[in-house]
Amino acid sequence: EVQLLESGGGLVQPGGSLRLSCAASGFTFSTYAMSWVRQAPGRGLEWVSGISGSGGSTYYADSVKGRFTISRDNSKNTLYLQMNSLRAEDTAVYYCAKDEGYCSSPSCYPSWYFDSWGQGTLVTVSS
Amino acid sequence: DIQMTQSPSSLSASVGDRVTITCRASQSISSYLNWYQQKPGKAPKLLIYVASSLQSGVPSRFSGRGSGTDFTLTISSLQPEDFATYYCQQSYSIPPMFGQGTKVEIK
Repeated sequence: EVQLLESGGGLVQPGGSLRLSCAASGFTFSTYAMSWVRQAPGRGLEWVSGISGSGGSTYYADSVKGRFTISRDNSKNTLYLQMNSLRAEDTAVYYCAKDEGYCSSPSCYPSWYFDSWGQGTLVTVSS
Repeated sequence: DIQMTQSPSSLSASVGDRVTITCRASQSISSYLNWYQQKPGKAPKLLIYVASSLQSGVPSRFSGRGSGTDFTLTISSLQPEDFATYYCQQSYSIPPMFGQGTKVEIK
């Protein structure tokens, strides 16, 4: 069974930093691209960032480009999101999500839709 | 970026009703359209991928259709556990944008 467990959320002041983690289990982590998707209170879903299975390719929404950094440690089955220069509008529940992916030997590629999600971690940016 | 627009934003329906939600893309996305269900306080759940493929474990009362720019999600006979918010999402290009959501409420 796929399990994704986020951690690292909390209250941070504007301009501050936070690092989120997502511990994965139940699948071959290094094979699959992963993404972070956020949801502001009472709002819809917003894709934030994605990373290939190897970690060699990363992708960002314009709203976080230059401030957030996605990374992964495949030896620890863990996904990260380093968030710097945080703003009030970054307040949201942050979900890590496993990409469905597809493989065409010898490589696997993102499909950019998400078949498993974590329970989310709340980030609040406020003074 | 490809914008996704859902309609309606909310609807009221009764158990047993047939419900259809529409999603329109700002440009053609072929069949790269996915649907999610989200209940309050919970993570989204994938229902339908690439327009019409039912995710494993999802009841067959859920179905998806469409290609190009216009897509629909249909619930053939609404059940009590289906009251939730539904989101479409395009996976044709980065960023993979979501629609604004459709809240299905009890009449």
